[in-house]
Parts: sequence; C-alpha cells; structure tokens
Amino acid sequence: GAGVSQSPRYKVAKRGQDVALRCDPISGHVSLFWYQQALGQGPEFLTYFQNEAQLDKSGLPSDRFFAERPEGSVSTLKIQRTQQEDSAVYLCASSATSAASNEQFFGPGTRLTVL
Amino acid sequence: GENVEQHPSTLSVQEGDSAVIKCTYSDSASNYFPWYKQELGKRPQLIIDIRSNVGEKKDQRIAVTLNKTAKHFSLHITETQPEDSAVYFCASRNYQLIWGAGTKLIIKP
Repeated sequence: GAGVSQSPRYKVAKRGQDVALRCDPISGHVSLFWYQQALGQGPEFLTYFQNEAQLDKSGLPSDRFFAERPEGSVSTLKIQRTQQEDSAVYLCASSATSAASNEQFFGPGTRLTVL
Repeated sequence: GENVEQHPSTLSVQEGDSAVIKCTYSDSASNYFPWYKQELGKRPQLIIDIRSNVGEKKDQRIAVTLNKTAKHFSLHITETQPEDSAVYFCASRNYQLIWGAGTKLIIKP
C-alpha cells in the first residue's frame, strides 16, 4: 500500500520567502510527526499531532514555523520569512495509533535550501 | 531536556566482522527503542526495535540489547556485508522520537 508521501521533494527559496511543505500520512494513521534533519545530523523533533490536535509543538525553533492538520489527515508545515539556517531536510512520519511503541513510518522528506 | 547519546560517530569494520553501536538515554519514561538505517539521501528505515519489557531481540544478523537500569541499549550486526554501509540512528521514545546523532558504518571489502 501507499506509504507516507511528502511534497515537494526539493524546494529552493530565497531568504525571506514563505514556504509550505506537505505531508500525506498513511491513511488512517492517528499520529503525525514532523522532524528537521540538518546535514550530517540526526532528525530533531519539531511537532506532533494526534488526529487534528497539535499536542506538542515544543520543537518548533521559532514563531516563524507553523504546522497544521485541520482534518486529521494531511499536514502542512509552513515556514515564514525563511532564513539560511532553515536549510535542512524536513521529515514527516506517521504511526497507526498514539501508543509509544508503534512504529513510525517516514516519508522521503523535503529538502529545503534557503539561498 | 531528554537526550540520546550515540557512539561511535564513525565505525569502520572489515567485511564479515561484527559491528556494535551503543546508545544511552536520559528519559526514564522511555519505553520503546528503535534503530533506523539511513542511506544517503533516503528516508530512515526501521531495522529493529525493542520494547522496555524485553532485554534482547534478534533478527537474523541484527540484534539489540537493552539495559533499562543503566539506560543503555546497543545494536549488534554480525557477518557484516557491503550493503550494511549506511548511517545508523538509535532513538528512544516516550511518544516523540529522541534521536542519537548517528553512526556512519563503513564496511571495508
């Protein structure tokens, strides 16, 4: 079946532009996570949704970052006034339930480059 | 805050030898410990995981051990092959994944 998909796969933005990154989780998955992975580093947690509720946004680096999942399925991560330090791969993951022991399935990521 | 430390950052082994990667975690509430393999430019792929009520788990050439008292867990790969070359990440989970910094595993032919 279809896995987690993300679009676009690559995004180049000029500093100061707004960007929107989309995640389509596996159908029916309750939990959705966004991670940021800088080059050569491990992913870092950004935010977590359980259905449409954003239960944790403690990892968002600044108020320029905003995420939503209005209908409990597709999620969008928006970055306003992009800065060079925002350049990274943004990974989305979903899991079937909210149980901690459920495997997280990852999308291919969106590689954001801010010039 | 919670963190996961992973060692070594780079590991080079001869093909056929074993590789061991070690992690420690800080959050006592963590109850799930996955290991991911990430090839260059690709998404992380789960290779094995262990839950807090188990001390060891094995899947063919891959095994993971967990010591909850010491907050240590390790990945063991035996009979390494060239296709094992990748970056490996450990993680601990209460509900979000807290990731280690990764180990670049190089298998020398």
